[in-house]
Amino acid sequence: DIQMTQSPSSLSASVGDRVTITCRASQSISSYLNWYQQKPGKAPKLLIYAASSLHSGVPSRFSGSGSGTDFTLTISSLQPEDFATYYCQQSYSTPWTFGQGTKVEVK
Amino acid sequence: EVQLVQSGAEVKKPGESLKISCKGSGYSFTSYWIGWVRQMPGKGLEWMGIIYPGDSDTRYSPSFQGQVTISADKSISTAYLQWTSLKASDTAMYYCARPRGLAVAGSNAFDIWGQGTMVTVSS
Repeated sequence: DIQMTQSPSSLSASVGDRVTITCRASQSISSYLNWYQQKPGKAPKLLIYAASSLHSGVPSRFSGSGSGTDFTLTISSLQPEDFATYYCQQSYSTPWTFGQGTKVEVK
Repeated sequence: EVQLVQSGAEVKKPGESLKISCKGSGYSFTSYWIGWVRQMPGKGLEWMGIIYPGDSDTRYSPSFQGQVTISADKSISTAYLQWTSLKASDTAMYYCARPRGLAVAGSNAFDIWGQGTMVTVSS
């Protein structure tokens, strides 16, 4: 299996902050990297697919970059509704493994 | 509207069997894979496996191979996740999800999610 490692595991930030989350794959996955947002008690939502493509309806303050083994999710200006847990996932090969998650909390 | 609707919460005893369901609507059920994802209480997301209802081609994560069975009935647009002998460690929320594309690997991602089925296993 391809292992996905996110950092940090949690972070504290304020509204308006620029937030960056990193995801590293245990081998090259080209650009086959997705990002999801999950709020408590809710199903995950797709934010970014193929490393940098914004899913329909997702605000433009979310962006993704990277290829190979290193990827980032950036929230340019954190909004109140963005406090949540974020997961990366590779779709290069099955099983489509997830990172362990990054919880974005209020500072 | 494309949606996945899952069966309701279950409370079971260790050793019992269980089959939960995920019904797709608003799209061609046989043309898209459907995956299952486990989330244990307070923990992260785990990819369990995926099935192509068109021909029942199924891929499992090694972590779940032999522990669960994924199936689908294309006549009623429904995918299933089943256990023959539940354990307390199977207590979790289970999500079904449909990828946005047609490939099982490469550029693809889960863009449609069911609401989740909570399975509680306790004596």
